[in-house]
Amino acid sequence: SQTIHQWPATLVQPVGSPLSLECTVEGTSNPNLYWYRQAAGRGLQLLFYSVGIGQISSEVPQNLSASRPQDRQFILSSKKLLLSDSGFYLCAWSALAGELFFGEGSRLTVL
Amino acid sequence: KQEVTQIPAALSVPEGENLVLNCSFTDSAIYNLQWFRQDPGKGLTSLLLIQSSQREQTSGRLNASLDKSSGRSTLYIAASQPGDSATYLCAVDDTGGFKTIFGAGTRLFVKA
Repeated sequence: SQTIHQWPATLVQPVGSPLSLECTVEGTSNPNLYWYRQAAGRGLQLLFYSVGIGQISSEVPQNLSASRPQDRQFILSSKKLLLSDSGFYLCAWSALAGELFFGEGSRLTVL
Repeated sequence: KQEVTQIPAALSVPEGENLVLNCSFTDSAIYNLQWFRQDPGKGLTSLLLIQSSQREQTSGRLNASLDKSSGRSTLYIAASQPGDSATYLCAVDDTGGFKTIFGAGTRLFVKA
């Protein structure tokens, strides 16, 4: 069966520091991969999606970037965090035009 | 632009009650609709996926229906239990899998 792992689960970072969140999927090949952000009291916002290695589409201009160095690995990064980057980050995968499956999320607090 | 609305925003019911959560969307040209459950501080768990050609899906005590022409979906929960307490989100895919649009969710509390 397919599983999705996301880490770290929680992190507190100072403004201006770098960020790296990692997500890996097991049990499937060539998945579509996604990064979402869920701000307090707000809905899910799609940040990036990827249909293959090295293929990244950005949905929202921001301080973040994403990379897909391997088929089942998706990384969310920032060179310098802003206060507004705080939130709950969720990685997800899907087969082609199919059901979305989410990881457990990463809670980021920028101080 | 697709918009997804969920009503009510919050709901409190006694244990054992049957309940319906509502989801509406503005553009009926969708690929699929998915219902999720989210516990506090956790990721989303997929409950049911309804393809555009389907009218409903069932899993245990859950039944989801889809009426594309009216832009509506309902999630029916039978014989609710305290363990059903969570936020339920509806999501619509109208781009073939890349830009799923989520509703804000309905927060459900089932009292023992």
